[in-house]
Amino acid sequence: NAGVMQNPRHLVRRRGQEARLRCSPMKGHSHVYWYRQLPEEGLKFMVYLQKENIIDESGMPKERFSAEFPKEGPSILRIQQVVRGDSAAYFCASSSTGRAEAFFGQGTRLTVV
Amino acid sequence: ILNVEQSPQSLHVQEGDSTNFTCSFPSSNFYALHWYRWETAKSPEALFVMTLNGDEKKKGRISATLNTKEGYSYLYIKGSQPEDSATYLCAPRGAGNMLTFGGGTRLMVKP
Repeated sequence: NAGVMQNPRHLVRRRGQEARLRCSPMKGHSHVYWYRQLPEEGLKFMVYLQKENIIDESGMPKERFSAEFPKEGPSILRIQQVVRGDSAAYFCASSSTGRAEAFFGQGTRLTVV
Repeated sequence: ILNVEQSPQSLHVQEGDSTNFTCSFPSSNFYALHWYRWETAKSPEALFVMTLNGDEKKKGRISATLNTKEGYSYLYIKGSQPEDSATYLCAPRGAGNMLTFGGGTRLMVKP
């Protein structure tokens, strides 16, 4: 759905650099989910956030990965010291409080070289 | 995170065939069940949201049913067309508002 904006669409990073992925939810949506799609695999849950709070981060790798959804501005997924295995498509989705349907962004394709 | 199983993993059918696939999920802590359609190089597109046991939703040639007591949902496609080729994802939502996706069923429709 064009309403959820992710940028950049493509990101190339060298090993050891940091990657920052941004997700602007649809207007009025205060719930954001991040998912990762590794090559030849399905969508895997990473983290679920509401404004200023991490609700569930059980799918996040313990090290190097962090996420935030500040009061103002987009949600950020940050990967420090990237490695080749981080190469994947990262999707975010948003939903409004009290409404079940979630809408996806176009994804950010991260390539680590 | 809920344990969600979809079967089959992939399916090849001829144009005009009708087909169906399954999504299984834990029946406890259930709130809603979402179906998404995901075409290559695009983002997942919402098809249906179902909440009540016995729910049946329909969109053109695609329909879905829900059994919350036994924890499964079926997606049916009548008279498959090549443009139906995609991965179909189901995602139950538990209390806490979190979607958990199954691995998907990849459908390929041959003309």
